[in-house]
Amino acid sequence: DIQMTQSPSSLSASVGDRVTITCRASQIISSYLNWYQQKPGKAPKLLIYATFSLQSGVPSRFSGSGSGTDFTLTISSLQPEDFATYYCQQTDSIPITFGQGTRLEIK
Amino acid sequence: EVQLLESGGGLVQPGGSLRLSCAASGLTFSSYAMTWVRQAPGKGLEWVSTTTGNGGRTIYADSVKGRFTISRDNSNNTLSLQMYSLRAEDTAVYYCATESPDVSGYPYWGQGTLVAVSS
Repeated sequence: DIQMTQSPSSLSASVGDRVTITCRASQIISSYLNWYQQKPGKAPKLLIYATFSLQSGVPSRFSGSGSGTDFTLTISSLQPEDFATYYCQQTDSIPITFGQGTRLEIK
Repeated sequence: EVQLLESGGGLVQPGGSLRLSCAASGLTFSSYAMTWVRQAPGKGLEWVSTTTGNGGRTIYADSVKGRFTISRDNSNNTLSLQMYSLRAEDTAVYYCATESPDVSGYPYWGQGTLVAVSS
């Protein structure tokens, strides 16, 4: 199984900050790396798919990059509604696996 | 607009069974692979099972293999998850989710249904 490790596990930041979350795969994966945002009591929301592609309706302050085993999600200027938990997911091979999550909190 | 609505969750004793359903609308259901993802209280996301559009292929996480069965009724746009031999560690919110032909990952999710396994 491919293990996905996110860092940091939690992060405190302020509105307007630039934030980067990293996801590392235990082996080389293709570009099938996706990012989700989840708020308490809600279903996850797809933000980025296939490493770089912005899901329809997602603000352009979210972006994704990476290749091989190392991938990143960047939020260019944090907004109040961005404080949530973020998960990476690989759909390169079965079983599909998620990272453990990064909790983004208000400083 | 794609909508997914789960039902069937509840409290069940260890060793018991439960059947979850997911009613889909706003999509050509038989064209979409469908997936169950779960989230234990305060924990992360765990992929559980996926079935192809025609139901001809099903895959499971090792943690549920042999105990859970995914199925679909394309005439009624419904996805199901039959769960047997439930354990305390199966306690979670269960989400149904689906891919999109142009998007990898799951752009569509239901609201989730809570399964609690406890005596």
